[in-house]
Amino acid sequence: GDSVTQTEGQVTVSESKSLIINCTYSATSIAYPNLFWYVRYPGEGLQLLLKVITAGQKGSSRGFEATYNKETTSFHLQKASVQESDSAVYYCAFSSSGSWQLIFGSGTQLTVMP
Amino acid sequence: NAGVIQTPRHKVTGKGQEATLWCEPISGHSAVFWYRQTIVQGLEFLTYFRNQAPIDDSGMPKERFSAQMPNQSHSTLKIQSTQPQDSAVYLCASSLVGTLNSDYTFGSGTRLLVI
Repeated sequence: GDSVTQTEGQVTVSESKSLIINCTYSATSIAYPNLFWYVRYPGEGLQLLLKVITAGQKGSSRGFEATYNKETTSFHLQKASVQESDSAVYYCAFSSSGSWQLIFGSGTQLTVMP
Repeated sequence: NAGVIQTPRHKVTGKGQEATLWCEPISGHSAVFWYRQTIVQGLEFLTYFRNQAPIDDSGMPKERFSAQMPNQSHSTLKIQSTQPQDSAVYLCASSLVGTLNSDYTFGSGTRLLVI
């Protein structure tokens, strides 16, 4: 079935260091899904960080970037220099074009140490 | 813009009791979604309304769960005869249109604990 895999449940990074959070998807019936990263900051609701709906393109927001790679079915989240305020839970998700269902990964808790 | 409002934030019910969760979507948003989050299953889609009409309830458990959207300003998720396995965070989201090229806005969720 359709699924999203985030291999890291928890990531700890020192402030100003680089970050990569891995995400791969398995879409059995979807040729080119829409891809998303959502974030939940402490005490807040889940919110969209970035999205990409075209294979090969890159999405970016708040210094984060993710490139839609259809060959490797990946959508890794990267940031060159993290800040303490980036500490949050990050969720990778996908949907088929025109579909209303989001398939979420299990989430990655990012802790940025000062 | 107050965002998507979910009430209550926390609810504790005894096994076998009924629980009703409320969601107020963003004004003007025509699509409302319910998701459930547990440690074991993660975030799971439950049901979807567009212009108050139920469109897809494929994620809803077949028994005890029901959702309604009687008007544009609120939706409810009702769980009858709650069981401990219903304990979860229930998330409501709304969007301008019913496709995912539009952004969801999620509420903060209702944390349900069944004891």
